Amino acid sequence: SYELTQPPSVSVSPGQTARITCSGDALPKQYAYWYQQKPGQAPVLVIYKDSERPSGIPERFSGSSSGTTVTLTISGVQAEDEADYYCQSADSSGTYMFGGGTKLTVL
Amino acid sequence: EVQLVESGGGLVKPGGSLRLSCAASGFTFSNAWMSWVRQAPGKGLEWVGRIKSKTDGGTTDYAAPVKGRFTISRDDSKNTLYLQMNSLKTEDTAVYYCTTISYYYDSSDAFDIWGQGTMVTVSS
Repeated sequence: SYELTQPPSVSVSPGQTARITCSGDALPKQYAYWYQQKPGQAPVLVIYKDSERPSGIPERFSGSSSGTTVTLTISGVQAEDEADYYCQSADSSGTYMFGGGTKLTVL
Repeated sequence: EVQLVESGGGLVKPGGSLRLSCAASGFTFSNAWMSWVRQAPGKGLEWVGRIKSKTDGGTTDYAAPVKGRFTISRDDSKNTLYLQMNSLKTEDTAVYYCTTISYYYDSSDAFDIWGQGTMVTVSS
């Protein structure tokens, strides 16, 4: 299997745009998924198939892909968006993997 | 209400065994591919393994760190997923979550329904 690499932390002021990246060699061939996890809670899917947003997820969450990097963008960040964010993908052999996670701090 | 509820966690000595259960409700469990994901204290998410629906063959796949020690099974008559953990190591200490794979979002690898997790502590 391959690895997914995320920055450990990202900080942003309320109302600004946060961008969290995830890099992996197989990402041009495999979809990426993003999860939000708040302390003491289970993760929640916020983006699937690189850029699709599940029902109930605010429109300020979006995803994009370019080459070996996928990006989660949160526009107009709110205090409630402070959380850990994980990217995830899969390979063709039935193995799944997560990035190391990025702690988003809202200043 | 769609729900996954894990149980069976606890304290176990290194080398010991434990079986986790995950009770599903509010959706057609037999159609779902299911997975276990774990999270060590203060660490990130780690995929443990997956079982397909019986319609799709019911086969299993495991992450390298648990292969040969952990076994995933399902009882569709009881809407329950299991994780049998043998030869436990201290590094298996984690919260264990059960999840569906791509139940709502077809043809994807999304973990889209999650339980609340159950804590497993491996310590002497």
